[in-house]
Amino acid sequence: NAGVMQNPRHLVRRRGQEARLRCSPMKGHSHVYWYRQLPEEGLKFMVYLQKENIIDESGMPKERFSAEFPKEGPSILRIQQVVRGDSAAYFCASSPPGPRTGNTIYFGEGSWLTVV
Amino acid sequence: DQQVKQNSPSLSVQEGRISILNCDYTNSMFDYFLWYKKYPAEGPTFLISISSIKDKNEDGRFTVFLNKSAKHLSLHIVPSQPGDSAVYFCAASDLRGSARQLTFGSGTQLTVLP
Repeated sequence: NAGVMQNPRHLVRRRGQEARLRCSPMKGHSHVYWYRQLPEEGLKFMVYLQKENIIDESGMPKERFSAEFPKEGPSILRIQQVVRGDSAAYFCASSPPGPRTGNTIYFGEGSWLTVV
Repeated sequence: DQQVKQNSPSLSVQEGRISILNCDYTNSMFDYFLWYKKYPAEGPTFLISISSIKDKNEDGRFTVFLNKSAKHLSLHIVPSQPGDSAVYFCAASDLRGSARQLTFGSGTQLTVLP
């Protein structure tokens, strides 16, 4: 039973390039979350998606960042025209469907973006 | 506006002793609480959780206590082991619309000294 799979694990981009981070949720999970951890900081919520639907993107920067979770395939977090301040660890998490209080979210290993 | 706070950025404990990590929250709509452990260069790993209808949940060396009136929870690890050295994140869950979301604290770095 594979866990949450993220790739790439490490990504280096030059300023101005695009970064694409992919996330495949755990089997049976239909909710995907993206979190960002900047150096020396905690986990910050970015966006919450279900298949073909953005539920909450209140944590996403207003420009250059977008996320999708298509009907088929992984969820993708896309950062256009990257800047040095985008360098961070990006964690994807998934949870089962439904509003039950017992639903725990499980994290992937993370994607480390370095902008040079 | 930090709704989940971990006021101690770091904690050092001797091996074999008890580690107590604390977490405070402000949102009374939170009804489910979780602790995650994170090693460097890895994703957070779920550790233990507690529903707001309980005040204690135990799993092996890990016990989480919830004081709803004080909006405070704590994680006890006993006995502490060097392998427990990691960053511990407290998280709180609430229902927004039709789905749940987690709000994380800023983490506490636990160091267990041999």
